[in-house]
Amino acid sequence: GAVVSQHPSRVICKSGTSVKIECRSLDFQATTMFWYRQFPKQSLMLMATSNEGSKATYEQGVEKDKFLINHASLTLSTLTVTSAHPEDSSFYICSASVGSGITDTQYFGPGTRLTVL
Amino acid sequence: AQSVAQPEDQVNVAEGNPLTVKCTYSVSGNPYLFWYVQYPNRGLQFLLKYITGDNLVKGSYGFEAEFNKSQTSFHLKKPSALVSDSALYFCAVRLTGSARQLTFGSGTQLTVLP
Repeated sequence: GAVVSQHPSRVICKSGTSVKIECRSLDFQATTMFWYRQFPKQSLMLMATSNEGSKATYEQGVEKDKFLINHASLTLSTLTVTSAHPEDSSFYICSASVGSGITDTQYFGPGTRLTVL
Repeated sequence: AQSVAQPEDQVNVAEGNPLTVKCTYSVSGNPYLFWYVQYPNRGLQFLLKYITGDNLVKGSYGFEAEFNKSQTSFHLKKPSALVSDSALYFCAVRLTGSARQLTFGSGTQLTVLP
């Protein structure tokens, strides 16, 4: 149980285009999903917290107009990188919380490797 | 502010030997502590967590971790390492009362030598 999927696993795009990444909880409902970014050989940096039916909460320094997050259902959150540039190239990982309250556990998707040419 | 530190970037251990991956934390309240493992080009897999109760927590794949409040540590351990345990390990902390966000350590690359 507690499986989280991401699609696509890898995407290469030209500079200036927009890319959408999907995050799905396959066998549970997730009221909260999280989006992280990971640079090579570095830790995960939280970008935003996505709550079903409401606006996402972005971390300081993350441009909400560039990284659009939609959490339209209890099993799906999407991250759209708008007008992508080479500096946006990174590994994007989502997670979904299982359980309620502070003791819940985050389960992570397999990640999406974005390369912007 | 809460933080978690993994003092070792790299840990090497021979197969069959016990392994320890270190983690220390700094929080002002009661911490909830987690260990995750990441294989190359993959997301993180949950190993175990400490919420309350017994200081020794047992998790997936034979891993365990010991919560030590006096030393503010939560080291990951396994009695007998396998080559397949080679991966990147992350310690994470969530502070009581936080908005369920995790703060991750910098990661420790574990290499188990055959």
